[in-house]
Amino acid sequence: EVQLVESGGGLVQPGGSLRLSCGASGFTFSDHYMDWVRQAPGKGLEWVGRIRIKANGYTTEYAASVKGRFTISRDDSKNSLYLQMNSLETEDTAVYYCARTRSYSPNDYWGQGTLVTVSS
Amino acid sequence: DIQMTQSPSTLSASVGDRVTITCRASQSINGRLAWYQQKPGKAPNLLIYKASSLESGVPSRFSGSGSGTEFTLTISSLQPDDFATYYCQQYNSYSITFGQGTRLEIK
Repeated sequence: EVQLVESGGGLVQPGGSLRLSCGASGFTFSDHYMDWVRQAPGKGLEWVGRIRIKANGYTTEYAASVKGRFTISRDDSKNSLYLQMNSLETEDTAVYYCARTRSYSPNDYWGQGTLVTVSS
Repeated sequence: DIQMTQSPSTLSASVGDRVTITCRASQSINGRLAWYQQKPGKAPNLLIYKASSLESGVPSRFSGSGSGTEFTLTISSLQPDDFATYYCQQYNSYSITFGQGTRLEIK
């Protein structure tokens, strides 16, 4: 059974940093691109970014709203995905989901999400 | 970025109704369009991919159609479990984008 489990969310002050993790099981993690998608309270879904697989050089893409502040990485030996969030703003408050994908494919499996609250 | 515009934002319907949700892309997306269902407090669930392909395990009352920049999600006969929020997503470009969502509520 495919499982994605996010962790690391919490309360952080504006300007602060936080690192989210996503643990994967039930599939060959190293074969899949991985996305982060977020959802602000009461709002819609916003794609945050993507990391590709080793064969594609672990290249990354980011939404304009987070580029330069957020960094996506992965450790295939640990079946884990990460989201390093720096210079956090109140507008970054959201539930953050990790989601599995492939090249030119939708997100077929999602984690349960972890809540990040940016507030003083 | 490719903009995705869904309509309507809210839809009121009854059990047994046939409903249609529309999604328009700001440019051609080569059919790389997905539909998701999301219930409160839960992660989105993939329903349709490649505009019209039904994801495994999804009831056949859900169907998708469209091409170019215009796409639709149809639920042929609403069931109580279908009242939720629906999102379209384009995955044709490096920057993925979602529609703003359609909340399907009980009339």
